[in-house]
Amino acid sequence: DAGVTQSPTHLIKTRGQQVTLRCSPKSGHDTVSWYQQALGQGPQFIFQYYEEEERQRGNFPDRFSGHQFPNYSSELNVNALLLGDSALYLCASNLLDRGRGYGYTFGSGTRLTVV
Amino acid sequence: AQSVSQHNHHVILSEAASLELGCNYSYGGTVNLFWYVQYPGQHLQLLLKYFSGDPLVKGIKGFEAEFIKSKFSFNLRKPSVQWSDTAEYFCAVNAANTGFQKLVFGTGTRLLVSP
Repeated sequence: DAGVTQSPTHLIKTRGQQVTLRCSPKSGHDTVSWYQQALGQGPQFIFQYYEEEERQRGNFPDRFSGHQFPNYSSELNVNALLLGDSALYLCASNLLDRGRGYGYTFGSGTRLTVV
Repeated sequence: AQSVSQHNHHVILSEAASLELGCNYSYGGTVNLFWYVQYPGQHLQLLLKYFSGDPLVKGIKGFEAEFIKSKFSFNLRKPSVQWSDTAEYFCAVNAANTGFQKLVFGTGTRLLVSP
């Protein structure tokens, strides 16, 4: 059990559509980060949420947006899907500690296929 | 900006062989270093992490890694691999002592251990 729950596990969408992915963090964690893992690549940081605000963002276009709810769960939204958005999307949670960067707990991911 | 290089993309070993996976990072400041493992069909799991202190870090399942600051390296080692170590291994780094840290991953090394 990863402790971080992501849904759905698999998703197929058509180019131009919009998609919403969901993440419930590990109990006790307050920070959620999203990563995109393309085939054969390492995870790439998309953004991080803490106290319902986006705190840090990677090099992703504005088509990628997110939200964090009061219960710390989070959503990742992608608009105007492109074929290149096909990837495994990972959610990671941690308890924010500004001094140390404690290890994250990762979910099993959502496999998004854009056709 | 931080970056991570993993030079071995695919490694094939026989059981009981010794393992060393290379990881080099690029960053001008103090870093935290991580090795994650992703078994087939499973989520990313933390093998070990380095924050400060003894540069030789011991992790789970008999893995260890050595931080060599002068070489910007954090190589992963295991004296004797098992078939169950077949997985993909990711080195990651984040900037220490800053808030809202993001993880920067290498491209991963796929390890196949033959029985």
